Amino acid sequence: GQQVMQIPQYQHVQEGEDFTTYCNSSTTLSNIQWYKQRPGGHPVFLIQLVKSGEVKKQKRLTFQFGEAKKNSSLHITATQTTDVGTYFCAGAGTALIFGKGTTLSVSS
Amino acid sequence: SAVISQKPSRDICQRGTSLTIQCQVDSQVTMMFWYRQQPGQSLTLIATANQGSEATYESGFVIDKFPISRPNLTFSTLTVSNMSPEDSSIYLCSVDQGHEQYFGPGTRLTVT
Repeated sequence: GQQVMQIPQYQHVQEGEDFTTYCNSSTTLSNIQWYKQRPGGHPVFLIQLVKSGEVKKQKRLTFQFGEAKKNSSLHITATQTTDVGTYFCAGAGTALIFGKGTTLSVSS
Repeated sequence: SAVISQKPSRDICQRGTSLTIQCQVDSQVTMMFWYRQQPGQSLTLIATANQGSEATYESGFVIDKFPISRPNLTFSTLTVSNMSPEDSSIYLCSVDQGHEQYFGPGTRLTVT
């Protein structure tokens, strides 16, 4: 069945450092979505990428969708303590399949 | 955006019993989704609930264990039947609006 793999599982950075999480699908996706879940909270939608090679930015966050529509990345520039949480990618094929998430911790 | 509420927010239940979780959306939606998130894990889709038809279950989930109701376009329930400790998890309902998926706050279930 369709699988979405996400790495790394955990990442700790010093405030101000950059952070990247990667997402790979076993099948071609119609779109990919990214979510952020704060500790104790529920997933919150960040963005959806649809087009091959698409790049979108939200302030310090940069999202990319691969040319083959099978991989994606989220890059955060100059992390802040407010960035802590778990970042999930979710690939849309026949159903929305979530990756295992990358948990980001930031120390000041 | 959609605002979603869930009841109860948490519960502790004995094995063998059943719990019904309610999900209310502030707008009419065609499809509602039920997910399970075990502690420290990712989200797993249980089923998709369409109003007026039977829910569609994902592999590994069956109607007898997780019956779903969808009586109208703003409401759904998920029942966790004959619970065992392995059912301890957070259950979230979700809706898709404009290709954005919105999640409820979740129901934290502990089975003892």
